[in-house]
Amino acid sequence: EAQVTQNPRYLITVTGKKLTVTCSQNMNHEYMSWYRQDPGLGLRQIYYSMNVEVTDKGDVPEGYKVSRKEKRNFPLILESPSPNQTSLYFCALGGSRGNEQFFGPGTRLTVL
Amino acid sequence: QKEVEQNSGPLSVPEGAIASLNCTYSDRGSQSFFWYRQYSGKSPELIMFIYSNGDKEDGRFTAQLNKASQYVSLLIRDSQPSDSATYLCAVNGDYGQNFVFGPGTRLSVLP
Repeated sequence: EAQVTQNPRYLITVTGKKLTVTCSQNMNHEYMSWYRQDPGLGLRQIYYSMNVEVTDKGDVPEGYKVSRKEKRNFPLILESPSPNQTSLYFCALGGSRGNEQFFGPGTRLTVL
Repeated sequence: QKEVEQNSGPLSVPEGAIASLNCTYSDRGSQSFFWYRQYSGKSPELIMFIYSNGDKEDGRFTAQLNKASQYVSLLIRDSQPSDSATYLCAVNGDYGQNFVFGPGTRLSVLP
């Protein structure tokens, strides 16, 4: 069974302090993506990756970076977090066509 | 900008009734359509996906797709209190294109 691990699960930080949220999978899925979920706005895709070294912007990429140096890991990097990045973040991985996304447990981030 | 719209609800139905959830999308190039269920504080989980016009049934769930009207729906028969959750509609184009989710419809099944 596909498993997605996110760390940390909860994080409180301050404005401007760089942070990384890790995402790793135990399967060989090519497609991975990051979402943020905010009340009233739903799930919005930040970045996605179709394979190693292949990444592309989703709908809300500003203020975020990603990397895909190996298939199993897809970290989300906030170089200089701001309070408007306070949100619930989900990593997801997809099936062979990038469909049927399977979501990780989520990371609740608060930026003070 | 691709958009996916859903009524936010809450939609309240009595136990045993049929719950009907609706979704419209703006991009005519969308190829794949999904329904996810999300319990409060949990991650979304896939219920159904549909690619072709018509109906697709899986147990108590039926997804309906009408590409001409850019409309996809989810019917839940014999609704149970455990079905109370937020239901998210999502669409995407061909492989490699980004997913777009609707804001979700909150369903409440009353015992």
